Amino acid sequence: NAGVTQTPKFQVLKTGQSMTLQCAQDMNHEYMSWYRQDPGMGLRLIHYSVGAGITDQGEVPNGYNVSRSTTEDFPLRLLSAAPSQTSVYFCASSYGGGAGNTEAFFGQGTRLTVV
Amino acid sequence: QQQVKQSPQSLIVQKGGISIINCAYENTAFDYFPWYQQFPGKGPALLIAIRPDVSEKKEGRFTISFNKSAKQFSLHIMDSQPGDSATYFCAAPNTGGFKTIFGAGTRLFVKA
Repeated sequence: NAGVTQTPKFQVLKTGQSMTLQCAQDMNHEYMSWYRQDPGMGLRLIHYSVGAGITDQGEVPNGYNVSRSTTEDFPLRLLSAAPSQTSVYFCASSYGGGAGNTEAFFGQGTRLTVV
Repeated sequence: QQQVKQSPQSLIVQKGGISIINCAYENTAFDYFPWYQQFPGKGPALLIAIRPDVSEKKEGRFTISFNKSAKQFSLHIMDSQPGDSATYFCAAPNTGGFKTIFGAGTRLFVKA
């Protein structure tokens, strides 16, 4: 039982490049979400999904896309990387609702630097 | 639209002391009040949580106190240890229930 797995752990991008952050969970959780963590800002919700085929925007969705084709996977796509997207990204899953409704399980994070 | 306000931003406590972190929320429909603990280089992990039908929940050295009338809940760490040094987050759902809002976090440092 691996929990929530994120890849890669570290990534450096040039401005304008695109990439996909991968997230997979093996707990059969319906709810998955992506957060970014910046100093002094806490965890801010980017996008979330309440089940396969259903996604919605969080607090800071601009510049990011998501899709949910399976229960297990929830990739986050950066369309055209900008220095403002330098951050640590966390994927989380939970049985019902978000981390404010029930226990959420987080991945180890992806540290992204955009130069 | 900040719905969860956490304080203090940082906290330094002597070993054996009590650490207290506070969180204020706006939406009275919230029905789950968790605290997450995050160590450097790791993802947050649930530490303790409370439902509003009780005013206090204790798990070992960690206690959540809930004040419904003041719309506040706090985390108390008794007999704080250097191993408790971490960042702590409170969280709550927005009105719709799925857009979880986290507090800004409290960096706790316990001096040996």
